[in-house]
Amino acid sequence: DAGITQSPRHKVTETGTPVTLRCHQTENHRYMYWYRQDPGHGLRLIHYSYGVKDTDKGEVSDGYSVSRSKTEDFLLTLESATSSQTSVYFCAISDNNQPQHFGDGTRLSIL
Amino acid sequence: AQTVTQSQPEMSVQEAETVTLSCTYDTSESNYYLFWYKQPPSRQMILVIRQEAYKQQNATENRFSVNFQKAAKSFSLKISDSQLGDTAMYFCAFMKSAPASGTYKYIFGTGTRLKVLA
Repeated sequence: DAGITQSPRHKVTETGTPVTLRCHQTENHRYMYWYRQDPGHGLRLIHYSYGVKDTDKGEVSDGYSVSRSKTEDFLLTLESATSSQTSVYFCAISDNNQPQHFGDGTRLSIL
Repeated sequence: AQTVTQSQPEMSVQEAETVTLSCTYDTSESNYYLFWYKQPPSRQMILVIRQEAYKQQNATENRFSVNFQKAAKSFSLKISDSQLGDTAMYFCAFMKSAPASGTYKYIFGTGTRLKVLA
């Protein structure tokens, strides 16, 4: 398995609270991605990173921010969580023209 | 913009039989990659097979093979000798290579839930 660790694996929180999800890799891959998975939508890209401090928006970036201060860590932050952000979140990593490898996902419930 | 369509939300197959999952995509790109991922109930995303658009030969990985029709923009997955462990959600994904910006983003289909029956 590619060395990708997502934390936490599960989280329940309340509307309006800040939430940060962490993705940690040991593969030294350049590219990192955050997706959300919802029934009927497959996986949708939230944000991605192509290097330290280099990030860009995906198709569903509203309400999310990211940071990448070092190669191995990519953080996803919900500044003020809403119920519509209840989802399963996946982190992925890749190198040039290589398939993405995924973490085990974080199930986030916002009540 | 690229799109990926999986028109079969659910399928079932008897153990040891063969099943084909459909995927079509839309793109104006000439260089790209296509993938099939498997997501069992454990929720892991597991790469099943990969196809490079410039290769005419269909990719094969053990019991899994693809039928890649570039002109038709079709990329179907065939599972031979289906096993109970093949029960999973299967996602088709498209990746455009964008060397200028150095980004390699996926577009996923909505998935096909496959159940293998004993």
